[in-house]
Amino acid sequence: EDQVTQSPEALRLQEGESSSLNCSYTVSGLRGLFWYRQDPGKGPEFLFTLYSAGEEKEKERLKATLTKKESFLHITAPKPEDSATYLCAVQGSNSGYALNFGKGTSLLVTP
Amino acid sequence: DSGVTQTPKHLITATGQRVTLRCSPRSGDLSVYWYQQSLDQGLQFLIQYYNGEERAKGNILERFSAQQFPDLHSELNLSSLELGDSALYFCASSGGVNQPQHFGDGTRLSIL
Repeated sequence: EDQVTQSPEALRLQEGESSSLNCSYTVSGLRGLFWYRQDPGKGPEFLFTLYSAGEEKEKERLKATLTKKESFLHITAPKPEDSATYLCAVQGSNSGYALNFGKGTSLLVTP
Repeated sequence: DSGVTQTPKHLITATGQRVTLRCSPRSGDLSVYWYQQSLDQGLQFLIQYYNGEERAKGNILERFSAQQFPDLHSELNLSSLELGDSALYFCASSGGVNQPQHFGDGTRLSIL
């Protein structure tokens, strides 16, 4: 069974203080690993898809990386507007095209 | 704006009742997915439809059913509601295999 574990559960950063969020996974035949951002009262907003180990993708202050066992979401010089819950999900070959989500990391960036 | 529209935004009902949640996917997307999000379980996959046909089932209860219509909108029907069914229900759509799923803003269901 596919499993996704995210750490830490919650993270508080000062504005400008860079850090990384972790997503550890086990999956039968990785089709893709997805990162989403979710704001309170909203649906998950797509950020990145990673397909194979060694792949990296960047968007503004965010950079996602992938190995065979985990993915990191690096946040460089965060701003208060980066505060949200960040969700990691995997799509495995045994699960059709459904996403298997971790429980997320709740990020708070203070001024 | 993801382009996925869900109605209603909020639904309050009583135990034993039946409700219908509606989802309009992004223009051109043939796949629709339903997920349930609760505080303790996180986002859980319920069911997927592709161009009107059921493609995959997750942890969907027998009291729940869904369908996708010829115009590609989808409905999730929840019956014999229990207190534990209170949750956020999200619909997502995608344009093809390995394509990202784009989520609506959900329907918050409260069972009293």
